[in-house]
Amino acid sequence: ILNVEQSPQSLHVQEGDSTNFTCSFPSSNFYALHWYRWETAKSPEALFVMTLNGDEKKKGRISATLNTKEGYSYLYIKGSQPEDSATYLCAPDTYGNNRLAFGKGNQVVVIP
Amino acid sequence: SAVISQKPSRDICQRGTSLTIQCQVDSQVTMMFWYRQQPGQSLTLIATANQGSEATYESGFVIDKFPISRPNLTFSTLTVSNMSPEDSSIYLCSASSRPGNTIYFGEGSWLTVV
Repeated sequence: ILNVEQSPQSLHVQEGDSTNFTCSFPSSNFYALHWYRWETAKSPEALFVMTLNGDEKKKGRISATLNTKEGYSYLYIKGSQPEDSATYLCAPDTYGNNRLAFGKGNQVVVIP
Repeated sequence: SAVISQKPSRDICQRGTSLTIQCQVDSQVTMMFWYRQQPGQSLTLIATANQGSEATYESGFVIDKFPISRPNLTFSTLTVSNMSPEDSSIYLCSASSRPGNTIYFGEGSWLTVV
């Protein structure tokens, strides 16, 4: 079982502030890292699929970086808005078989 | 992209009974998977649903408890058998067309066993 750590587990952010959080995963046999945004009673929404060391991806105010050698990824939210409130999940795919191992998530609450 | 529909979305089940969850994808996909999230825990992979053959189960999950069918490229079912309160979870279906591509999820089936 892969050990995937996400920190901090939960955070409260003032509207307009920027924030970031970390996903750590084993670097061996790395194939891809998936980031999701999950709101209660909805499908997890795919944010990024990252494969290359040093990769940086952006979707609106959300961006992510990847370090495959040391096994971590950062997710950034710039200028947080209440609609950013959700749980953000990271999941590495080792061996490229799409069998994902998830962390417990970063629960973000944006305070208006 | 792919849209994944799950039924039921929510159910309350009696201990000892079984429930089958259906997953329908709006396009043909190569890979389908079943996950669950128990309260306070991570999303955990139960099995890979293989089209036309037996599912591949992860450690800790067995076919007798979680029989899975996948009769074609767009449909799969997961049965949770002989349920106990520990089976109270969100069960999610996911699908992808190939490794490294986006993996899409359904909205989940929220099961409570009483």
